[in-house]
Amino acid sequence: AQKITQTQPGMFVQEKEAVTLDCTYDTSDQSYGLFWYKQPSSGEMIFLIYQGSYDEQNATEGRYSLNFQKARKSANLVISASQLGDSAMYFCAMRANFGNEKLTFGTGTRLTIIP
Amino acid sequence: NAGVTQTPKFRVLKTGQSMTLLCAQDMNHEYMYWYRQDPGMGLRLIHYSVGEGTTAKGEVPDGYNVSRLKKQNFLLGLESAAPSQTSVYFCASSYTSGAYNEQFFGPGTRLTVL
Repeated sequence: AQKITQTQPGMFVQEKEAVTLDCTYDTSDQSYGLFWYKQPSSGEMIFLIYQGSYDEQNATEGRYSLNFQKARKSANLVISASQLGDSAMYFCAMRANFGNEKLTFGTGTRLTIIP
Repeated sequence: NAGVTQTPKFRVLKTGQSMTLLCAQDMNHEYMYWYRQDPGMGLRLIHYSVGEGTTAKGEVPDGYNVSRLKKQNFLLGLESAAPSQTSVYFCASSYTSGAYNEQFFGPGTRLTVL
């Protein structure tokens, strides 16, 4: 079974500062993917970034980067130079590569950017 | 491309009523999924489909049925709605399975069962 743990229910960050959202995972699969989604107050789920378990380099997408530490089973999302529009819920999710179709989600972190 | 669309956006039902949620995707994806999102919880998989004419149970399938008669559509049915089914429902699709395939989500349907 897969499990995602997000231990920060809410975070407040000053605009333009960097923020790290924590995510730890548990799986017995060797091949898997880790995803981060953003859910603004409008409700849609927006894909941000992906990291494969065999990727040696940390994934980056613009201001988003994923700090992947496989031995610690952590996949933290780093947002650089935060903006007011970054205020949202953020979900970490994982998916096994074989025989498991679903995304397993964490409970999310609500990020609020303070001007 | 519209991506993944869901109909309706909002719905209020009385206990015991039935309804169908429609999900449509125009990306020619093989895989489609229905999730529900409850307060304080992440999304949980209800049912999914790996291709036209196929369906399979997810994590929380009880009280729901699904059909995938056409590749682009995935229907979620509630035969006899219960207050416990009050939730936000998300449909998603992906090109294929595997960890390396992003799931694209629809805008969600907010369902309230009184």
